[in-house]
Order: sequence, then structure tokens, then C-alpha cells
Amino acid sequence: QKEVEQDPGPLSVPEGAIVSLNCTYSNSAFQYFMWYRQYSRKGPELLMYTYSSGNKEDGRFTAQVDKSSKYISLFIRDSQPSDSATYLCAMIPGNQFYFGTGTSLTVIP
Amino acid sequence: NAGVTQTPKFQVLKTGQSMTLQCAQDMNHNSMYWYRQDPGMGLRLIYYSASEGTTDKGEVPNGYNVSRLNKREFSLRLESAAPSQTSVYFCASSDGHPADTQYFGPGTRLTVL
Repeated sequence: QKEVEQDPGPLSVPEGAIVSLNCTYSNSAFQYFMWYRQYSRKGPELLMYTYSSGNKEDGRFTAQVDKSSKYISLFIRDSQPSDSATYLCAMIPGNQFYFGTGTSLTVIP
Repeated sequence: NAGVTQTPKFQVLKTGQSMTLQCAQDMNHNSMYWYRQDPGMGLRLIYYSASEGTTDKGEVPNGYNVSRLNKREFSLRLESAAPSQTSVYFCASSDGHPADTQYFGPGTRLTVL
């Protein structure tokens, strides 16, 4: 079993839709949870991170962590065509980062 | 600040050839990482260096060697390239604190024929 599981999609939504992206994990030692956005042929860039359980909001983005279920989510409100990218979840227990495989998102104008 | 830079951007090798991928960061970060990214596999850690002078294996280290030349530079060497090493390679750096994120370079697209 992989440490981090993420549905690869692809996910296609109309502009303005609410998008939900999810990851599950197996290691209860994970404490920091990140979401990265990767545009085609570019390196990943951090969107936001959270520590332990709870919600964190940044503009149109909300990250949610449920440690009891080992489940994390990223919600994108009022999605825009510029949000079209691959979204990767990542989590760490220490020095090593564990990444999901990424979910490909396309927002259609 | 240039952030994290990688050279070369593209490379084609023949099986058995060797090469070194270069990475440098100008953010004074302690930790540096090498990943490979393959379709359906996501990002997988090859090696990392928690601080200058130290290196550790990640998830997929076989066939690779690394050198942390100084605080700024972290190189990845393929001694005898194999087609299975065809991938996109990313270098990243972080300050090392768990709350600090990794900053990624633009990647090197490597094809081994």
C-alpha cells in the first residue's frame, strides 16, 4: 500500500464550479499536510499547508485535514480557467516528503 | 533571487552513458532533494541532503549517486544510464523545518535510449 493515495482524475469542471480534491494516507505519524499546484512542464509550487486536523482558508482555496479518517481535501471555490493544472498533496513526518500522484484538473470557460 | 536552478533542461542519453544533473539554490536553505516524476507514479524521492555534508537515500536511490558540494549545490549522477531512468527530474530545497515548504526547480527532462 502506498503511503499517500490520490485519485489521478482527470477532473473537468465548468468555470465557477466548486472543486473538491482529496487524498488519503496510511501513516498516522504524518503531521504537516501540503497542497501543490503544478502547471504543465513546470515544477510544483506550494499552494498552502496545514498542521494537524482542521481547516485553513486562503482566498478561494480551503484545505481540510481529518486525521481520524486519514483524509485531506482541497476545495477551490469559483474555479477559474487559470486553475487548470495538476494538484498534488504532500505530507511529512520529518525530513522526507511523501507526495500523492496528483489530480489533473481542467476548468472549462 | 533565482530560487532553485537546474541544468540542463533537456538531455538525451544512450544506454550506459553517464551524466550529472546540477542543482543550485540561492535561498540559503539547509535541505535539498532530488525527485523523479513519472506518469502515474507521482513524485518519488531519490536522495536528500538534510544539511551540508550529509546525504540520505530516499524511496528510489538505485542507479543514482549524489554530492552535496556546498550549501548551495546538490548534484545527481547517473553512472550508467538505463531506459528505466527516463523521467523528469526535479531538485528542491527547503529550510528543513517541518513547517517550511519545498521550493522546486524547473526540472530536467531526461530520455535514455
